Amino acid sequence: AAGVIQSPRHLIKEKRETATLKCYPIPRHDTVYWYQQGPGQDPQFLISFYEKMQSDKGSIPDRFSAQQFSDYHSELNMSSLELGDSALYFCASSVGLAGGTGTEQFFGPGTRLTVL
Amino acid sequence: GEDVEQSLFLSVREGDSSVINCTYTDSSSTYLYWYKQEPGAGLQLLTYIFSNMDMKQDQRLTVLLNKKDKHLSLRIADTQTGDSAIYFCAETGNYGQNFVFGPGTRLSVLP
Repeated sequence: AAGVIQSPRHLIKEKRETATLKCYPIPRHDTVYWYQQGPGQDPQFLISFYEKMQSDKGSIPDRFSAQQFSDYHSELNMSSLELGDSALYFCASSVGLAGGTGTEQFFGPGTRLTVL
Repeated sequence: GEDVEQSLFLSVREGDSSVINCTYTDSSSTYLYWYKQEPGAGLQLLTYIFSNMDMKQDQRLTVLLNKKDKHLSLRIADTQTGDSAIYFCAETGNYGQNFVFGPGTRLSVLP
């Protein structure tokens, strides 16, 4: 079965550079979530999109932005990268808003971002 | 705000049962989840329970929910070395949207 695809799987950037992470949800999933997991930390919710509109916002820095496109894939744009942005970034997808109908979120494998 | 707490470490011997505990503060939590994360890997959904249930069993996994005390537990029967991982408890409110994760419990299974 198709899963959530994230690209790239690994990314190395320098401080103050920009990065774009991509997420391709499971086919027919209309909701995408972004999480950030720092080293040894639990995943922290950043932002989510439902039907191409932002549905919820968590601890996403102002330097980051995201959007969901007409084909439901999503991109997380990160600018002025800082050392503290080094983390594993997970994307998850669901049909509708997860939790409200017991719909589970399916997580992608993550993109490991290293900022030097 | 919402908060989810877990003990950080648990060691058990192979073949024993493991019990991982979780407490949460959001009384509107509708669904509670257990995720497994192996080293360097993504999050794998193990099971979830709806808040009007007390117990859910799925093969070696048993989830117990005490909604009054806002306490959730995951029992793994006949723990194997392949169960060594970090286990995250997560909750979401009635209208879902985002998950709030606990800090994760690192389960070590000793031979």
